[in-house]
Amino acid sequence: DGGITQSPKYLFRKEGQNVTLSCEQNLNHDAMYWYRQDPGQGLRLIYYSQIVNDFQKGDIAEGYSVSREKKESFPLTVTSAQKNPTAFYLCASSASRQETQYFGPGTRLLVL
Amino acid sequence: AQSVTQPDIHITVSEGASLELRCNYSYGATPYLFWYVQSPGQGLQLLLKYFSGDTLVQGIKGFEAEFKRSQSSFNLRKPSVHWSDAAEYFCAGDGGTALIFGKGTTLSVSS
Repeated sequence: DGGITQSPKYLFRKEGQNVTLSCEQNLNHDAMYWYRQDPGQGLRLIYYSQIVNDFQKGDIAEGYSVSREKKESFPLTVTSAQKNPTAFYLCASSASRQETQYFGPGTRLLVL
Repeated sequence: AQSVTQPDIHITVSEGASLELRCNYSYGATPYLFWYVQSPGQGLQLLLKYFSGDTLVQGIKGFEAEFKRSQSSFNLRKPSVHWSDAAEYFCAGDGGTALIFGKGTTLSVSS
């Protein structure tokens, strides 16, 4: 089955720690995205990548970093510089920028 | 600036009643518009999309939406709501780099 997988489902971060959220897709999509979801805020774009080895900052990129070394993978690192990381993180992909985005099941990040 | 607005934060509908969720957009050209649904703790599922052509769009689960340029709206409708439709609904539009999402409308279904 084609789709997007995110792992882990839940992730706990200690103070000062960097953590990495995994996103993998087997849809052969060129574009991939990371969104952050907070209650009542909708989805806000963190980073996006339209092609391998290229990515751009979204609206709330501070405290986050990404890489796009492979077409199917777009991991997100939440660094210690992100002071309020508790949120639900959603990864998405699309064939191209203006095509439909398909979403993974999400990762909930909690701070210990 | 491009924006998508969902005026209703929370709506309660009786099971079997009709539903309309509102979405307004602010775009210069004809936008690409989407409706997604999210169950608690899950990802987003596409209900329907409008790219061009017929302004009445049919989606999955019996939903439809109508694009009205004169009103800058893309409202989601369903003639008869089922208890399983209780979820959060997001309207989104193409923002040039990625989608711009409204803040969502939570739908509760009463028996």
